[in-house]
Amino acid sequence: GENVEQHPSTLSVQEGDSAVIKCTYSDSASNYFPWYKQELGKGPQLIIDIRSNVGEKKDQRIAVTLNKTAKHFSLHITETQPEDSAVYFCAGPGGTSYGKLTFGQGTILTVHP
Amino acid sequence: GAGVSQSPSNKVTEKGKDVELRCDPISGHTALYWYRQSLGQGLEFLIYFQGNSAPDKSGLPSDRFSAERTGGSVSTLTIQRTQQEDSAVYLCASSLVGGADTQYFGPGTRLTVL
Repeated sequence: GENVEQHPSTLSVQEGDSAVIKCTYSDSASNYFPWYKQELGKGPQLIIDIRSNVGEKKDQRIAVTLNKTAKHFSLHITETQPEDSAVYFCAGPGGTSYGKLTFGQGTILTVHP
Repeated sequence: GAGVSQSPSNKVTEKGKDVELRCDPISGHTALYWYRQSLGQGLEFLIYFQGNSAPDKSGLPSDRFSAERTGGSVSTLTIQRTQQEDSAVYLCASSLVGGADTQYFGPGTRLTVL
């Protein structure tokens, strides 16, 4: 089945700096890669996603890049703010069952004021 | 509009008891998913319902776990003879059409087995 590896597990930055989280996947047929943000006590919320027909997608301070050859994708957050502090999860398709997701282990992002 | 809701928000039970967790998906969403999140861990897929198709149960960790979805809407996850290792947050998600479609998550049910 699909395997998604996420790094780093923790990331600490100063307010205003950029943050980058990287994920690799194993299934070359994968074509959908969402990123979720999870705040304490809440369910994950989709913040951005990318499909395999594009290499980059941006939404204000958030961007995701995809390298299908290398089988990795990254989340970039610019001008970080304290409210960006949360756990971030990448995900990829979960193998033989079209629709389920395999999640990375998560990155705890802390933005210091 | 209303998002995915789950109940109860917290459940404390004794080892060996059965528990039922409920998920109300977004109205009109045909796909429903259950995931489990252990403390400090990622999300582990449990089961996936898509329309009237047979559910994908490949993620259920043992035969003590089962789920059903009645009338294509509400779903119940049942854990029989609970064990301490079942303690986790159980998350439900729904999507409009399944496949590579956005999954919207509920707030989860925190299960503690004493």
